Amino acid sequence: DTGVSQNPRHKITKRGQNVTFRCDPISEHNRLYWYRQTLGQGPEFLTYFQNEAQLEKSRLLSDRFSAERPKGSFSTLEIQRTEQGDSAMYLCASRPGGHEAFFGQGTRLTVV
Amino acid sequence: QKEVEQNSGPLSVPEGAIASLNCTYSDRGSQSFFWYRQYSGKSPELIMFIYSNGDKEDGRFTAQLNKASQYVSLLIRDSQPSDSATYLCAVGTGTASKLTFGTGTRLQVTL
Repeated sequence: DTGVSQNPRHKITKRGQNVTFRCDPISEHNRLYWYRQTLGQGPEFLTYFQNEAQLEKSRLLSDRFSAERPKGSFSTLEIQRTEQGDSAMYLCASRPGGHEAFFGQGTRLTVV
Repeated sequence: QKEVEQNSGPLSVPEGAIASLNCTYSDRGSQSFFWYRQYSGKSPELIMFIYSNGDKEDGRFTAQLNKASQYVSLLIRDSQPSDSATYLCAVGTGTASKLTFGTGTRLQVTL
């Protein structure tokens, strides 16, 4: 499969725990994006990378959220001290230059 | 004012009819425009993109862009029940920028 891959697909965690998600982009895509989507809403931008550099973070992104893309390949998104409001679908997308973005299957997080 | 606005619907059309989905955006510097389809519980799937004013056709889908009016639309001809989904409009302001999404329009194609 040469598409964008996200793991895990589902994560249930207790409030206050830390979680980490992984995204493997399409190999030749140098741009990688993280979005969050809640029910009835469109994807909300969190952050994006060009190669290994994190170029933009949403003002809405709490300091409990951190993302990395070491060596410009896969990326991880970590949420520390999870809260119930963090429950959402976390989407990763990759993009070759300025062209269209392709999404992975998403990671659905449920905080109980 | 939201950056990208869509009517949430649902928009109900009979099978075989033309579905017209609309989107307006606030940033005049926007340069790239995308339509994604999202089935319930799934991730967005790219349908079409358009960068220049006018129409762009791909099979049963036509994207229309009017930068002066800050308006982009998607027409689906010969609508099928399998087209029933939420359609997300996304706008980019530059070649490297993030895409800003609308809330999506839910389309229902009835038999």
